Amino acid sequence: AQRVTQPEKLLSVFKGAPVELKCNYSYSGSPELFWYVQYSRQRLQLLLRHISRESIKGFTADLNKGETSFHLKKPFAQEEDSAMYYCALLYSSASKIIFGSGTRLSIRP
Amino acid sequence: ETGVTQSPTHLIKTRGQQVTLRCSSQSGHNTVSWYQQALGQGPQFIFQYYREEENGRGNFPPRFSGLQFPNYSSELNVNALELDDSALYLCASSLPAARREGYTFGSGTRLTVV
Repeated sequence: AQRVTQPEKLLSVFKGAPVELKCNYSYSGSPELFWYVQYSRQRLQLLLRHISRESIKGFTADLNKGETSFHLKKPFAQEEDSAMYYCALLYSSASKIIFGSGTRLSIRP
Repeated sequence: ETGVTQSPTHLIKTRGQQVTLRCSSQSGHNTVSWYQQALGQGPQFIFQYYREEENGRGNFPPRFSGLQFPNYSSELNVNALELDDSALYLCASSLPAARREGYTFGSGTRLTVV
């Protein structure tokens, strides 16, 4: 069955430290993955898509099909990165996006 | 270009009642998906509408139903409300299949069932 797992509910790091938000997925087809972010009092918004191989706000994510992972990384955390982060999988045969339970990232000054 | 708008923003209903939530999709988007987000959890897929037809459904009972109109706006209807239906309901619009652009989300409707 298709599933997205984010093992950490909360991740707290110091400003300037590296960040890695973990995401693992279960999907029998060819996966298409996203990271969404929700800043305080704002709506859920797309951060990046694996098909674009982009870096947004210093964040990158690499799809590792062998480990079925799509971890989100940033080399130097900034205070404005504090937010809720959701990993998501496009379940193409059902045209729906499945979300993980989310990780709250807290950056300490 | 306008984003996704949802109404109302907050709603309180009594157990057993019915509720209708509304969503206007982003300009150019013809697919609308609805999600339920309980406190502390990620969004759970309810269903998706494309060209006024249901195009995929999650594990929600039939008392959750929807509509999409020719202008691509959508409604989510929930009958016989239960306490566990209390949640944030999110609407998201997209192009078909959402492959490249992902979803654009509204701010949600917070439903409280008492």
